[in-house]
Order: sequence, then C-alpha cells, then structure tokens
Amino acid sequence: AQTVTQSQPEMSVQEAETVTLSCTYDTSENNYYLFWYKQPPSRQMILVIRQEAYKQQNATENRFSVNFQKAAKSFSLKISDSQLGDTAMYFCAFIHGAGSYQLTFGKGTKLSVIP
Amino acid sequence: NAGVTQTPKFRILKIGQSMTLQCAQDMNHNYMYWYRQDPGMGLKLIYYSVGAGITDKGEVPNGYNVSRSTTEDFPLRLELAAPSQTSVYFCASSYSSVGATNEKLFFGSGTQLSVL
Repeated sequence: AQTVTQSQPEMSVQEAETVTLSCTYDTSENNYYLFWYKQPPSRQMILVIRQEAYKQQNATENRFSVNFQKAAKSFSLKISDSQLGDTAMYFCAFIHGAGSYQLTFGKGTKLSVIP
Repeated sequence: NAGVTQTPKFRILKIGQSMTLQCAQDMNHNYMYWYRQDPGMGLKLIYYSVGAGITDKGEVPNGYNVSRSTTEDFPLRLELAAPSQTSVYFCASSYSSVGATNEKLFFGSGTQLSVL
C-alpha cells in the first residue's frame, strides 16, 4: 500500500517570504498523481496544485510551485511571497492512475504566516 | 451552483445512537466519496460510489453504511455510534476518477461529529 509522509508537523514563515513544505511517498507503481491541498480554519479542503508523475515539468499555480523528484519519491511545495491568507493546514496526497478511487493523504503540515 | 452540500455542520451523539450524514451535489458528478479526518491526521476514505446504485468500501468502512439511490445524493449512515467515530466527516465528488488527467475532487465543508 502507498504511504505519504509529511515530516514537518508545523512551520512558520514571515509574510512576503518563501517557504517549502516537504512530502515523500512510497509506491511501486509508475503511473500516479500527486496533490497539495490547503485546509484553512474554515475547514474547507482546497486543491492547491497537482502533478502527474509522467510529466517531468514541475507544476506551478501562481505563487505555488512544486519540486517533483520522481526517483527520490519527493514532492515538496514552495509558497512564494507568503500571505496571511496562506495560514492553513497543508496536506500532500497521492493516487494511482488508471481509474483509482482512493486518495491517500499525509498527516499534514500546519503553516503559520507571521505578519 | 451550490457544489457539495453537507448537513448537519455539527452534531453530538450519545454512544449507541444512530444518525445519517447527508451529502448532495449539483454538478452531475458520477463519483462521490466519504472521508473522515481524525485530529492531527489526514483524510481517510470510508466509502465511495461510482454511480447511482454502486457503492464500495474504502480504507475504514467499519461502523458505517452508505447508499446511492440518485446521482445527487450520497448519505452516510452511522449505526450504534462509538467514541472512536468522533471525527470530522467530509463528502466529496468528482466527474470521473481522480486518478485521471485534469480531474479534481470537490469537497463539502464537513460535519464535526462528537460521540460522548
């Protein structure tokens, strides 16, 4: 079974600075997808970014980008120009491709953006 | 569009009581899911459905039941509530499998359930 590990339970960053959240995963498959979800205090789960394993190019979405290292099974999230609204729990998630149904989540990293 | 709507938002149950968590989506999505989120943990899949009349177990199905009589609704039934079921429950939906190109999950806002 696949596992997702987020080794940083909590992190903080100064407003306007850059922060990187770590995620590693374990799988023997070659076709899969990786995600970062944001959960603010409102509890709503919000998709931040996704990465297809077959794509070598790292995904980017405005201030959010990933560093996908397939051989190392690493999938870190970089947040640039951090804003107060980025304060939230961040979850890394994994799913196999080809019609899989079950997303596997990490335990999350609590990010605090300090004014 | 309302998206994915969950009710209630909060509920307290006594041990042994039963209840149904409601979930509805208005996006004509085929796939629907129930997740639970325990304190300090990520989400774990309880049940999922790939269409009306079709349901299947996820990672943590014990103590729960589901039904999918319509495309829009996917209720989660708790029978004989136990303290171990204290959690936040999320319903989600997608048009096709999340393990597909450009597909994404749409989440409801969650139900905080406490069993005392």
